[in-house]
Amino acid sequence: KQEVTQIPAALSVPEGENLVLNCSFTDSAIYNLQWFRQDPGKGLTSLLLIQSSQREQTSGRLNASLDKSSGRSTLYIAASQPGDSATYLCAASKAAGNKLTFGGGTRVLVKP
Amino acid sequence: NAGVTQTPKFQVLKTGQSMTLQCAQDMNHEYMSWYRQDPGMGLRLIHYSVGAGITDQGEVPNGYNVSRSTTEDFPLRLLSAAPSQTSVYFCASSYSGTANSPLHFGNGTRLTVT
Repeated sequence: KQEVTQIPAALSVPEGENLVLNCSFTDSAIYNLQWFRQDPGKGLTSLLLIQSSQREQTSGRLNASLDKSSGRSTLYIAASQPGDSATYLCAASKAAGNKLTFGGGTRVLVKP
Repeated sequence: NAGVTQTPKFQVLKTGQSMTLQCAQDMNHEYMSWYRQDPGMGLRLIHYSVGAGITDQGEVPNGYNVSRSTTEDFPLRLLSAAPSQTSVYFCASSYSGTANSPLHFGNGTRLTVT
């Protein structure tokens, strides 16, 4: 059974610092790896999707990498801003159908 | 474009009552699914559908029923609510189940069962 872990559960950084969020998974036979953002009381917003055949994806200040052999994905957020404060979740899909296994999330606070 | 719409936003039920959580999407997405989010447990898949008329169980299906009579709608039914079903419920959809199709979520329904 796939298990997805995100450590740390929370972190706080000063504005302008680069953020590095970690995601590990136990089964390397993934279909894709997705990163989401969740604001309090809201749903999840898709940030980046990395297909199994890809090593990384980029969108603006966000970059996500995937290393299946080590069972890790990393989300980098450059030059963090207070508006980046949220919970970030990663999720792995084992096969077609978008049935995702989620990590517990990392709650990020960016201090002005 | 409304995306994924869930109603109601909040609901309080007594143990044993039944109710239906509504989910609709206007993106012509083929795949739809229901997740519940609990502190310390993360999001877990309840049921999913790969198209109209086709549904299947996820990780935690007990106590819930679903049907998919149209592409747009995917309601989740609680037949006899229990306190263990107190949670935040999210409906999600994707264009397909292919590797490059991200999941889109609704804003959730916060359910309390007393």
